[in-house]
Amino acid sequence: SAVISQKPSRDICQRGTSLTIQCQVDSQVTMMFWYRQQPGQSLTLIATANQGSEATYESGFVIDKFPISRPNLTFSTLTVSNLSPEDSSIYLCSARDRGAKPVETQYFGPGTRLLVL
Amino acid sequence: GQNIDQPTEMTATEGAIVQINCTYQTSGFNGLFWYQQHAGEAPTFLSYNVLDGLEEKGRFSSFLSRSKGYSYLLLKELQMKDSASYLCAVRDRNTGGFKTIFGAGTRLFVKA
Repeated sequence: SAVISQKPSRDICQRGTSLTIQCQVDSQVTMMFWYRQQPGQSLTLIATANQGSEATYESGFVIDKFPISRPNLTFSTLTVSNLSPEDSSIYLCSARDRGAKPVETQYFGPGTRLLVL
Repeated sequence: GQNIDQPTEMTATEGAIVQINCTYQTSGFNGLFWYQQHAGEAPTFLSYNVLDGLEEKGRFSSFLSRSKGYSYLLLKELQMKDSASYLCAVRDRNTGGFKTIFGAGTRLFVKA
């Protein structure tokens, strides 16, 4: 199974600033995803991070607010730009590993807790 | 559209059996997952059903009925460490490809 780490694990930011979250997978994975989870709520998919091309964003999420990079098969970053208190949430990185059984299984990072003041 | 419903909270006693239900509506069903998420931790994979029937894995079993849009997760011989949120997630196929949609989760409290 893929092991996923995220940095930072938590941060407190001022409104109007930006935070970049790093996601590192210990193996090459086919697909990487970014989710947001409000406390006690479901995971909401922000975007699929595509290696070597632009990310695919879900309805309600735009590249200007959530720019994503994926320079290789093991690493991705999510930036949350122009922060507002409504962006306070947990941001989770996820990946699918071709070697997983079943192959559709998603692995998750520990999450980044963001508080915007 | 897509919709996943599961109870918000459940309480059960250590050693007992609990069944967590999930109903879903989706246009391109392609499999159903159950994930476990302890407070403050990442979700971890429990089970995957793509065909109707019961899949058993140790103390955990998962059932699927595609015609009814229904699944349940059965936990036997409950232990205190089973206190967690259980997320039902559906893999949906649409024009953009495959996407996994998560329910809000059922918070299970196991009491002694």
